[in-house]
Amino acid sequence: ELKVEQNPLFLSMQEGKNYTIYCNYSTTSDRLYWYRQDPGKSLESLFVLLSNGAVKQEGRLMASLDTKARLSTLHITAAVHDLSATYFCAVDGIESYGGSQGNLIFGKGTKLSVKP
Amino acid sequence: KAGVTQTPRYLIKTRGQQVTLSCSPISGHRSVSWYQQTPGQGLQFLFEYFSETQRNKGNFPGRFSGRQFSNSRSEMNVSTLELGDSALYLCASRRQSHSYEQYFGPGTRLTVT
Repeated sequence: ELKVEQNPLFLSMQEGKNYTIYCNYSTTSDRLYWYRQDPGKSLESLFVLLSNGAVKQEGRLMASLDTKARLSTLHITAAVHDLSATYFCAVDGIESYGGSQGNLIFGKGTKLSVKP
Repeated sequence: KAGVTQTPRYLIKTRGQQVTLSCSPISGHRSVSWYQQTPGQGLQFLFEYFSETQRNKGNFPGRFSGRQFSNSRSEMNVSTLELGDSALYLCASRRQSHSYEQYFGPGTRLTVT
């Protein structure tokens, strides 16, 4: 059974601090997705990581992918309150070469709360 | 450019009834996926359509069905509603059958009483 495990599930941070969210998965996929969800809202795509060693950065967030370890990390630098949200990682449910099948398997999400 | 739209946004139904939810993908997108989000089970894949064909289906009972029209709009239907079907139903669109990035709609919040 394909599994995607995130930790921690809850994270309370102080503004200005750094932290990392971990995402372990059980497939041999070389693709991984990160999404953000604000309370009562839909999912917003943050990063699409398409190969081993991929690293992407946007503002205070940086995501990386290690397909050999089946591990992705989402690093938060100098957190601010606006980053408070739930973060999900996901992998393709069916391994396919040359593209996604549109059936993502999600982790349970990490609820991040950034306090002043 | 308009995003993915879903209607209705909120819905209250009674056990045993059926419901139809609609999703209009981003213009030019041809693939639509549906997901169910609940506090207990999290985000779960329901099914994916491309060119009016269901290509993948998640592990849900046959009460959950869907279809896609020639204009790429999609509907999902849940028959004989159960309390456990209360959830946020999200659809996502992709440009092509192999595109990586999925763009999610605002969701339909279904409450079954």
